[in-house]
Amino acid sequence: QVQLQESGPGLVKPSETLSLICAVSGYPIRRGYYWGWIRQPPGKGLEWIGTIYHDGITYNNPSLESRVTMSVDTSKNQFSLMLSSVTAADTAVYYCARLVVGSGTYYVDVWGTGTTVTVSS
Amino acid sequence: EIVLTQSPGTLSLSPGERATLSCRASQSVSSSYLAWYQQKPGQSPRLLIYAASDRATGIPDRFSGSGSGTDFTLSISRLEPEDFAVYYCQHYGRSRFTFGPGTTVDIK
Repeated sequence: QVQLQESGPGLVKPSETLSLICAVSGYPIRRGYYWGWIRQPPGKGLEWIGTIYHDGITYNNPSLESRVTMSVDTSKNQFSLMLSSVTAADTAVYYCARLVVGSGTYYVDVWGTGTTVTVSS
Repeated sequence: EIVLTQSPGTLSLSPGERATLSCRASQSVSSSYLAWYQQKPGQSPRLLIYAASDRATGIPDRFSGSGSGTDFTLSISRLEPEDFAVYYCQHYGRSRFTFGPGTTVDIK
């Protein structure tokens, strides 16, 4: 059974960089699939942040692209997100996810439990 | 850029009733790229339907998806108490994932 678990600071100061890690168990990242990050501000809907493949190729939401950095560590079976210059608008629950991309279908089939990140001084 | 609109914003129904949720795309999209998710309070979203009409593993057959072009529908044939939740549609295109704003199905 594939499981994803986010970890990282729950509180980040404005203008600083948010850093999260997603640990994957039950499936080797290097075997395939895409992996990504999705966030949900309090009381609002879902926003895709970006997607990364095991070879390091990334695709980012254009609205966030200049601030987003993603990386993958296949030896630890985890991937990470860095979001720079955060503001209160970046306060959200951040989910890591496994994404099915290709073979004619495109969707998120496994979600992490989510981690709440608050941006505040 | 594809924009997804969901309607209604809120659907108030009783257990046992049929729910019909709409997802409209700003331009024609391939049905292969359309999925639906359910999210309950305090939980992660759960995949219900992919490729517009294929049920995900373990999803009861009271959930069904249909549609093509710009108009897609998620139907719940007979609402069970556990079905009251928020439902999101999602599109994939140009290497990007886009979500609709969601429809809340609550108890009347």
